[in-house]
Amino acid sequence: DQQVKQNSPSLSVQEGRISILNCDYTNSMFDYFLWYKKYPAEGPTFLISISSIKDKNEDGRFTVFLNKSAKHLSLHIVPSQPGDSAVYFCAASEGSSASKIIFGSGTRLSIRP
Amino acid sequence: EPEVTQTPSHQVTQMGQEVILRCVPISNHLYFYWYRQILGQKVEFLVSFYNNEISEKSEIFDDQFSVERPDGSNFTLKIRSTKLEDSAMYFCARKSSGNTIYFGEGSWLTVV
Repeated sequence: DQQVKQNSPSLSVQEGRISILNCDYTNSMFDYFLWYKKYPAEGPTFLISISSIKDKNEDGRFTVFLNKSAKHLSLHIVPSQPGDSAVYFCAASEGSSASKIIFGSGTRLSIRP
Repeated sequence: EPEVTQTPSHQVTQMGQEVILRCVPISNHLYFYWYRQILGQKVEFLVSFYNNEISEKSEIFDDQFSVERPDGSNFTLKIRSTKLEDSAMYFCARKSSGNTIYFGEGSWLTVV
């Protein structure tokens, strides 16, 4: 039961260009969405989040867009830098303060020079 | 925000042995979690812990697993009798106020 889906296992983007990572979800009860960046053998690092009451949140080079009607969110990174090469996980949670987050399967982003 | 500290960073154990993974969060954290990632797979939820009780657990978290916070600080995950398929990276995580969960660096468990 994949409640959070990342359909692109990998993405290659030229340095300086925009990287767009996509995520879809099926559970309409999700009200908080997060993006994490992960390097091999390290823990997920929180990048940016968005509440379901918003449709956009921006933090420096990172912007997350939420389309609730389509149950879709995306992470934009601009401009892309070599250090952005990593696996990016979309995650979602619902309701209460103790709620777990559920991860997508991840997208490996490679920034080429 | 400060992260949690996990020990050991890497442990190799024989099948059937007990393993204890430890997490040292900051004292004002309210919610604690264990997640795991089998090599090449997604990060999976195991259990959440609040006010010294399990608040939710996944299907993965069967009778072989247990969690406790014995001394009010360390948060431990015990696997009673390890199986080969328990080999994974185990992540402790915490949440204070707000909805964001922050992860530790992970403990890599290899069962042979």
